[in-house]
Amino acid sequence: AQSVTQLGSHVSVSEGALVLLRCNYSSSVPPYLFWYVQYPNQGLQLLLKYTTGATLVKGINGFEAEFKKSETSFHLTKPSAHMSDAAEYFCAVSEAGNTDKLIFGTGTRLQVFP
Amino acid sequence: KAGVTQTPRYLIKTRGQQVTLSCSPISGHRSVSWYQQTPGQGLQFLFEYFSETQRNKGNFPGRFSGRQFSNSRSEMNVSTLELGDSALYLCASSSEWGTDTQYFGPGTRLTVL
Repeated sequence: AQSVTQLGSHVSVSEGALVLLRCNYSSSVPPYLFWYVQYPNQGLQLLLKYTTGATLVKGINGFEAEFKKSETSFHLTKPSAHMSDAAEYFCAVSEAGNTDKLIFGTGTRLQVFP
Repeated sequence: KAGVTQTPRYLIKTRGQQVTLSCSPISGHRSVSWYQQTPGQGLQFLFEYFSETQRNKGNFPGRFSGRQFSNSRSEMNVSTLELGDSALYLCASSSEWGTDTQYFGPGTRLTVL
């Protein structure tokens, strides 16, 4: 069975500081990995995804994530936080070829202070 | 291209009633998935439909059901509502089954009193 663990339900950073949101996965088959963002009272927006190929994935709004198979991790980073990045972030995993069934982590709420 | 739309956006029901939620996928998308989001359980997969057939099913009781129409629009139904069914119900669509990114709608907020 697949699962996702997001370390830290809340992360606070200052504007301009590095953002690091942690995600570890468990999967018995090669996974596809995703990061989604959710703003208040809205649905989920895809930030980036890893399927195959290059392990460093660049997404929207300056975010990127690196797939590390040896560490079973897919941490999300952004070099410089902006106030507009404040939201909840979800890491998700699916089986390759079954991307219509996502298993989500519990989410990390990012706060950005001026 | 218009995004995924869900109706209604907000709904209040009482215990024992049933409810039907609607989802219109992005034009051309044939796969629709449903998720339940609650503070306690997080985001959980309900079921997924492709070309009017249920392809995947999550671990929810039979009170939760869904269907997909020939135009790819989907509905989910919850019968005999319980307080614990209060949640944000999210619909997502993708163009091809099993291989494409899911795009989410804004959700329907269901409150059961």
